[in-house]
Amino acid sequence: EVQLVESGGGLVQPGGSLRLSCAASGFTFSSYEMNWVRQAPGKGLEWVSYISSSGSTIYYADSVKGRFTISRDNAKNSLYLQMNSLRAEDTAVYYCARDHPNQLLLFDYWGQGTLVTVSS
Amino acid sequence: EIVLTQSPGTLSLSPGERATLSCRASQSVSSSYLAWYQQKPGQAPRLLIYGASSRATGIPDRFSGSGSGTDFTLTISRLEPEDFAVYYCQQYGSSPITFGPGTKVDIK
Repeated sequence: EVQLVESGGGLVQPGGSLRLSCAASGFTFSSYEMNWVRQAPGKGLEWVSYISSSGSTIYYADSVKGRFTISRDNAKNSLYLQMNSLRAEDTAVYYCARDHPNQLLLFDYWGQGTLVTVSS
Repeated sequence: EIVLTQSPGTLSLSPGERATLSCRASQSVSSSYLAWYQQKPGQAPRLLIYGASSRATGIPDRFSGSGSGTDFTLTISRLEPEDFAVYYCQQYGSSPITFGPGTKVDIK
């Protein structure tokens, strides 16, 4: 069974940093592209970042470019999101999502999410 | 950027009724790269439909998708109690990928 479990969320002040993690199991993690998608409270979904299976190709949404860094450790079956210079508008539930095996940026499995709150 | 508009915002129906949800794109969605997701309160989204009309693994056949170009539809043939949720469309054919604002299907 595919499982994605996020951790690392919490309350952080504007301008602060946070590192999110996603532990994957139930599939060959190193063979799949992965993403972070976020959802502000009571709002819709926003794609944040993508990383290829090897980590060699990375994309970011314009809203986080230069502030967030996606990475992965295939030996540990883990995905990460380093978030710096956080703003109030970054407050959201952050989901780890697996790319469909045959289609870029189509999300076939999602974790339960971790809440990031940016507030003073 | 392709903007997706979903209608109606809320659909109030009874179990057993047919639900028809619309997703309209501001530009043509290439190769029908249009997906639908279901999200229940406090849960992660679940992929229902991709490629405009292909059901994802394990999705019941009461869910169907159709459309092309700029107009797409998700149909739930007979609503089950577990189908009351928010439904999002997503286009993944053009960068940046975008989601619609969602349609809430609630119990009448």
